[in-house]
Amino acid sequence: KQEVTQIPAALSVPEGENLVLNCSFTDSAIYNLQWFRQDPGKGLTSLLLIQSSQREQTSGRLNASLDKSSGRSTLYIAASQPGDSATYLCAVRPGSTGGFKTIFGAGTRLFVKA
Amino acid sequence: DAGVIQSPRHEVTEMGQEVTLRCKPISGHDYLFWYRQTMMRGLELLIYFNNNVPIDDSGMPEDRFSAKMPNASFSTLKIQPSEPRDSAVYFCASSSSLEPQHFGDGTRLSIL
Repeated sequence: KQEVTQIPAALSVPEGENLVLNCSFTDSAIYNLQWFRQDPGKGLTSLLLIQSSQREQTSGRLNASLDKSSGRSTLYIAASQPGDSATYLCAVRPGSTGGFKTIFGAGTRLFVKA
Repeated sequence: DAGVIQSPRHEVTEMGQEVTLRCKPISGHDYLFWYRQTMMRGLELLIYFNNNVPIDDSGMPEDRFSAKMPNASFSTLKIQPSEPRDSAVYFCASSSSLEPQHFGDGTRLSIL
């Protein structure tokens, strides 16, 4: 059974700092992995999607990497800003036999201090 | 594009009442998902549809929960009878097979 774990559960950093959020999954047979952002009282917004054949994806100050063999993904945020404060969730879509049954981690709550 | 639209945004009702949550997916998306989010269990997939057909409902907690998608632009999640432990935020999301899922802002449900 696929399990997704995110560490740390919460993180507080000063503005401008570079930071890394970690995600691990137990079954390497995945179709893709996504990083989402969730603001309080809102739904999830997709940040980056990495297909199983890819190693990383970049969007602006965000870079996500994927290492299927070790069951790990990282989300790197460069030059953090107070507007980055949110909960970040990692989600794994299982391999071809798993359909769209996406498994989410519990999230990392990020607070960037001005 | 208006995004995924959910209604109501908030629902407070008494135990035993029927609750109906509604979702309008993004036009052109052929997948629709219903999720439940709680502090204890995080975000859980309840059911998803492809081309209006339920594909996997293994996440539906029990028979009190049912979901329908009568057409490509509308879906409902119904709880009957409701119980306090059903209190959560319920999200609807939609996607095409090649895109990430787009989420609505959710319905915050409180069962007293």
